[in-house]
Amino acid sequence: KAGVTQTPRYLIKTRGQQVTLSCSPISGHRSVSWYQQTPGQGLQFLFEYFSETQRNKGNFPGRFSGRQFSNSRSEMNVSTLELGDSALYLCASSLSRAGYGYTFGSGTRLTVV
Amino acid sequence: GENVEQHPSTLSVQEGDSAVIKCTYSDSASNYFPWYKQELGKRPQLIIDIRSNVGEKKDQRIAVTLNKTAKHFSLHITETQPEDSAVYFCAASYTGTASKLTFGTGTRLQVTL
Repeated sequence: KAGVTQTPRYLIKTRGQQVTLSCSPISGHRSVSWYQQTPGQGLQFLFEYFSETQRNKGNFPGRFSGRQFSNSRSEMNVSTLELGDSALYLCASSLSRAGYGYTFGSGTRLTVV
Repeated sequence: GENVEQHPSTLSVQEGDSAVIKCTYSDSASNYFPWYKQELGKRPQLIIDIRSNVGEKKDQRIAVTLNKTAKHFSLHITETQPEDSAVYFCAASYTGTASKLTFGTGTRLQVTL
């Protein structure tokens, strides 16, 4: 059974650009969440989707957005990149509507220069 | 919102000894408490979780205890092995209409020979 797949694994972008990250959840999982991991702030919640609906959003600026498709795959977009957006972006999926037992992907390492 | 504090930030134990990591949470509505292990350069992996209707849960060398009154929960690892060396994160969540994990700041566990 395939795990949570995130693409790309690594990205280098310039300040001001935008970026789209992709996440394919485990087959059958409809709950998908995104987290930002940095050495200074740790693991911070970005958004959570269930059946194409954003049910929860973290305390991030509007430059951070996301969506979920009918096949449960999810994307997140960051516009007008800033140096501080450099981080590991992790996607997690759960079989449970309530969000028990999230399985994380290996993440996308974004570096903004 | 929810706030999770985790202690200690680093922990060094000798192989075969026990390790205990403690977390406190602020939101009494939280009802789900997972623990994740993250090895260097790898994704966080769920190692054990507990729901608020249970006081203790054990899985081989790992156990988690929950005290709802005091709003704290702990991870216990017995007979530690070098492969237990990693960063451990606690998290809290209210599994109501949406799921959002609030993570602690992590504990770096080093198991020495």
